[in-house]
Amino acid sequence: GAGVSQSPRYKVAKRGRDVALRCDSISGHVTLYWYRQTLGQGSEVLTYSQSDAQRDKSGRPSGRFSAERPERSVSTLKIQRTEQGDSAVYLCASSSLSGGRVAEAFFGQGTRLTVV
Amino acid sequence: DQQVKQNSPSLSVQEGRISILNCDYTNSMFDYFLWYKKYPAEGPTFLISISSIKDKNEDGRFTVFLNKSAKHLSLHIVPSQPGDSAVYFCAARGLNDYKLSFGAGTTVTVRA
Repeated sequence: GAGVSQSPRYKVAKRGRDVALRCDSISGHVTLYWYRQTLGQGSEVLTYSQSDAQRDKSGRPSGRFSAERPERSVSTLKIQRTEQGDSAVYLCASSSLSGGRVAEAFFGQGTRLTVV
Repeated sequence: DQQVKQNSPSLSVQEGRISILNCDYTNSMFDYFLWYKKYPAEGPTFLISISSIKDKNEDGRFTVFLNKSAKHLSLHIVPSQPGDSAVYFCAARGLNDYKLSFGAGTTVTVRA
C-alpha cells in the first residue's frame, strides 16, 4: 500500500523481555518518527531519524529504546527489558521534505504493546 | 515536560454547532503548528496546519487560529458533523526541526 504500516498490531510481552516493533514507511520519505501514546498523556517522541541514518537518535525515556533502519523505508523499534510502564500504543510516522521544510507526518495504525 | 498542552480532554457539541478546540504551547521556538484527527483503531491523520507567519488558516469547515503572543492556537469546526467525532491532537515543531511535539488530545463528540 501507499501508507505507513506497522506490525504487529498487538503484542503481549512478559516483563523483562525484549521486543521489536516494525514500521514500513512511505517510499521516499526522509524522516521517520517513533512515538509512544498513553491514554490521557498524549504522545511522546521516542526516536526520530533523518535521511538514511542507520541508527536513530534515541533516549527517551531511557536507553532501553532504540531504532534502526536496515532499509530506508523500514524501521525497527527495539525495547529492551520491557517494564509494565511500557504498555502503550507505539506509533510510527514518516514525512517528506517539501521545499526545504518538513511536511506533515503520516502515521501508521500503531502497535498496542501490553507488558504482563 | 509537556510543551504542547490541550487542557480539555473532551468536548461535546450538537450537530450543526461550532466546535472549538484549544491548544497552548510553551516553547517560543515553535513556528509550525498542526492538527491531527484520530479515529479509534487508526493512526492520526493530518487535518490542517498553520505557519507562525500567519494568524489564520482556513480549509473548508476547519479553521485554525494562532495567537503567537499568547502561545495559543485553536481549531474551529463549523458546522460540526457526526463524522467529526474523533480525538484531535495539536502538534508543533520548530523551524526546520524534524521532531513534532504533541498534546494529549481532545475527544470530540458530535451529538445528532
